[in-house]
Amino acid sequence: GESVGLHLPTLSVQEGDNSIINCAYSNSASDYFIWYKQESGKGPQFIIDIRSNMDKRQGQRVTVLLNKTVKHLSLQIAATQPGDSAVYFCAETPYSGGGADGLTFGKGTHLIIQP
Amino acid sequence: KAGVTQTPRYLIKTRGQQVTLSCSPISGHRSVSWYQQTPGQGLQFLFEYFSETQRNKGNFPGRFSGRQFSNSRSEMNVSTLELGDSALYLCASSWGRGNEQYFGPGTRLTVT
Repeated sequence: GESVGLHLPTLSVQEGDNSIINCAYSNSASDYFIWYKQESGKGPQFIIDIRSNMDKRQGQRVTVLLNKTVKHLSLQIAATQPGDSAVYFCAETPYSGGGADGLTFGKGTHLIIQP
Repeated sequence: KAGVTQTPRYLIKTRGQQVTLSCSPISGHRSVSWYQQTPGQGLQFLFEYFSETQRNKGNFPGRFSGRQFSNSRSEMNVSTLELGDSALYLCASSWGRGNEQYFGPGTRLTVT
C-alpha cells in the first residue's frame, strides 16, 4: 500500500544550527500532513500541521514546507536546542477536509543535537 | 486540562492469553484512535472510534478489536496473543475530523 517515508533515519546537527528533516509521501490523495516529535518513553507530540491548500506554515521555531508536485514534506527547526533531540515523524491522511483519523506515519528520523 | 491517559503503562503476557488496554481521552474529545508502534514496522494505525462507532480500521487481524463507551473512553482487546504483538500501543484523541490528535504515553505490551 501507499506509505509515508523519511529520507534519513538519523540526523546529527550542532546546537544552534538549523535542522531540516525531510519526508516523501506517495499517496496523491493526501490532503493533511502533520509532524510529530517523540521523546524516549513518551507518546508522539504534535508539532505542526499543514493542509494541501498551503505550501508553507510557520510555528514557533518550526516551519513546514509542502511540495505537492514532488510529494515532499519538510520540517525546519531553527536554532536547534538540546531539548529538540527526539525522533520526528511525518504523518498524512487522505481524508478531505483534513482529519487525523487513520494517520499513515513515516519511519521517523532521530535528530541528535551535538553540543 | 488533563491529557490522554492510558492504563496500564506496562504489561507482560504469555502467548495465547488475551489483553485489554484502556484509554481515557482529553475531556470533550469524541474521537479516539489506536496505533501500534514497533521498531520494525513503526507506527501503524489500528482503528478509530467516534461516538461509540468504529469509523476506520487499519490492516490488522481480527484478533485486534476495540470499543468506545458513551463517555468516549475506549478499550482495545487483543486475543490469542502472539510474540509479534509485543509493542507500544498508543491511543490518541481529537475533537474529530479536521483536528489534531493528542497522544497518550502508551502501554508497553510484552508477550513472552
